[in-house]
Amino acid sequence: NAGVTQTPKFRVLKTGQSMTLLCAQDMNHEYMYWYRQDPGMGLRLIHYSVGEGTTAKGEVPDGYNVSRLKKQNFLLGLESAAPSQTSVYFCASSRQGVGQNQPQHFGDGTRLSIL
Amino acid sequence: AQSVTQPDIHITVSEGASLELRCNYSYGATPYLFWYVQSPGQGLQLLLKYFSGDTLVQGIKGFEAEFKRSQSSFNLRKPSVHWSDAAEYFCAVGGTGGFKTIFGAGTRLFVKA
Repeated sequence: NAGVTQTPKFRVLKTGQSMTLLCAQDMNHEYMYWYRQDPGMGLRLIHYSVGEGTTAKGEVPDGYNVSRLKKQNFLLGLESAAPSQTSVYFCASSRQGVGQNQPQHFGDGTRLSIL
Repeated sequence: AQSVTQPDIHITVSEGASLELRCNYSYGATPYLFWYVQSPGQGLQLLLKYFSGDTLVQGIKGFEAEFKRSQSSFNLRKPSVHWSDAAEYFCAVGGTGGFKTIFGAGTRLFVKA
């Protein structure tokens, strides 16, 4: 009963490097999300997807790209990492609903440091 | 504009005392309200949700919340706090206004013996 699994759990990058964060869910959820969490700012939505093959920008999309080639996976990419992207990243998923009326299921997060 | 305000950045209560965490929201469509809890090093876990009907909703771990439309509030309560309740709590609003859930900045709860 894995739920939402994020890989990796920790990563340290140098400025300018690229990387991809993987999120996998086994609940057959339509909707998936990527958030970043910074102290005192709660969760901010980076990108989201309402179904396989679809993606949309959230509140803070700059510097990130995403892909949803398979329904169960949602990838978050950093093309050229910057120190401002040091954060804890959370993936979440939810059932399809009317707008956003379903609770979200979260992974345990990826702690990313950019030096 | 859609927003969620949690006025208290942190709260300290004694074990066994009652707890109330405040949440105020602004949302232009029919709101659906959530409370989540985050333990250190983990993701958010749903405590309870309000969609419609009875304005007092029960959740897991002995928590409850009351929806007050006139005050645009959705405060979380627990009659007797346990040391294991120490965590960060997030209020959130979603609904028919789009695909995004708006989260508050969180309230960190400390429990003293």
